[in-house]
Amino acid sequence: DAKTTQPPSMDCAEGRAANLPCNHSTISGNEYVYWYRQIHSQGPQYIIHGLKNNETNEMASLIITEDRKSSTLILPHATLRDTAVYYCIVRVPLLAAGNKLTFGGGTRVLVKP
Amino acid sequence: NAGVTQTPKFQVLKTGQSMTLQCAQDMNHEYMSWYRQDPGMGLRLIHYSVGAGITDQGEVPNGYNVSRSTTEDFPLRLLSAAPSQTSVYFCASSYSLTVDTEAFFGQGTRLTVV
Repeated sequence: DAKTTQPPSMDCAEGRAANLPCNHSTISGNEYVYWYRQIHSQGPQYIIHGLKNNETNEMASLIITEDRKSSTLILPHATLRDTAVYYCIVRVPLLAAGNKLTFGGGTRVLVKP
Repeated sequence: NAGVTQTPKFQVLKTGQSMTLQCAQDMNHEYMSWYRQDPGMGLRLIHYSVGAGITDQGEVPNGYNVSRSTTEDFPLRLLSAAPSQTSVYFCASSYSLTVDTEAFFGQGTRLTVV
């Protein structure tokens, strides 16, 4: 699986958009980009994933660059409950890798009032 | 739906004791896995299962056993607990092996070995 690089921490003002970057310059053509988050003392929670097109759901938007070497997770209107560690993960399709999710250090996001 | 349920939530063991961490899912998921998370670190895969009767090792399998006798349950056994196994343990499940889907995680079991 490709490695990812994320900033260790960032602050965000409540109500503003939070833009979380992730570099994955060695991503392969069949690897997806996944985002999970972990709120303190809870299990990781799936946010969104994509292959090469931009994706949006009720939680967030995922913007993947054309060369797929980086992506940005956007939380459109951050709330205090969005304070968490956010993990960017890239991986091959399920069957080939046993669905292993490789969690790196992530970005610790603090949403401030 | 309860999702992924882990029990117990907290456990303290003495060195050398054995115990089983329980994990159950009610979503008819094929794939289940166990991770451990140490302070300030990401999750590391211990064991995983791609279906009933099939298990395999992850990154850090030593000291742990698993079995998958049913689709719903995937218990993790600590054979002889050691202080190095003090950690938070998460169980996860996914729907399919052939379609890339999200993983659902339990709320974790916080284990302390003294």
